[in-house]
Amino acid sequence: DSGVTQTPKHLITATGQRVTLRCSPRSGDLSVYWYQQSLDQGLQFLIHYYNGEERAKGNILERFSAQQFPDLHSELNLSSLELGDSALYFCASSGLRGYTFGSGTRLTVV
Amino acid sequence: AQTVTQSQPEMSVQEAETVTLSCTYDTSESDYYLFWYKQPPSRQMILVIRQEAYKQQNATENRFSVNFQKAAKSFSLKISDSQLGDAAMYFCACTHNFGNEKLTFGTGTRLTIIP
Repeated sequence: DSGVTQTPKHLITATGQRVTLRCSPRSGDLSVYWYQQSLDQGLQFLIHYYNGEERAKGNILERFSAQQFPDLHSELNLSSLELGDSALYFCASSGLRGYTFGSGTRLTVV
Repeated sequence: AQTVTQSQPEMSVQEAETVTLSCTYDTSESDYYLFWYKQPPSRQMILVIRQEAYKQQNATENRFSVNFQKAAKSFSLKISDSQLGDAAMYFCACTHNFGNEKLTFGTGTRLTIIP
């Protein structure tokens, strides 16, 4: 157990639908990051939250949004899903002890 | 902004031999941190080794060591006595503000171990 919990582990949904991915950071970490990894690709940074505030945005589509709640868990919302959104979505958290990754959510859009 | 480049999409090595994975980076900052992550078939991201740019000594973790060439902006990973369990994707990453800023990743190198 890395300390970062992502749910669900797998998600299959149809084009046009909306899904929510959830991440609970390691205890004590205030930062949460979301990354997208398409098949055999690198990790593309989507967005960073620190203690509830958006800190930085990467190449995140307008159809995607995220937030971090007072208890520090974060949700990534993906809407109007397209086939190309199929990917592994990682959440990572960080603090003084460094970076910890969750095991990812595998999203398949059919 | 920083960029990280891994020019070797795939590498292979005989079991028990040594292999070196290349990584170059570009940053305008004088202080930064470099990482190598391993991603086995399970897809979990596992930290292999970390290097602080202000440290001249190359980091070492058991069979894994780095060759950090700051002037050349090069950060290669050497795996000694390669084992079957080392087979994975390896990603090089960089950040300026440890623990407070995103990691920027390279595109990865797929390492195959030949028995």
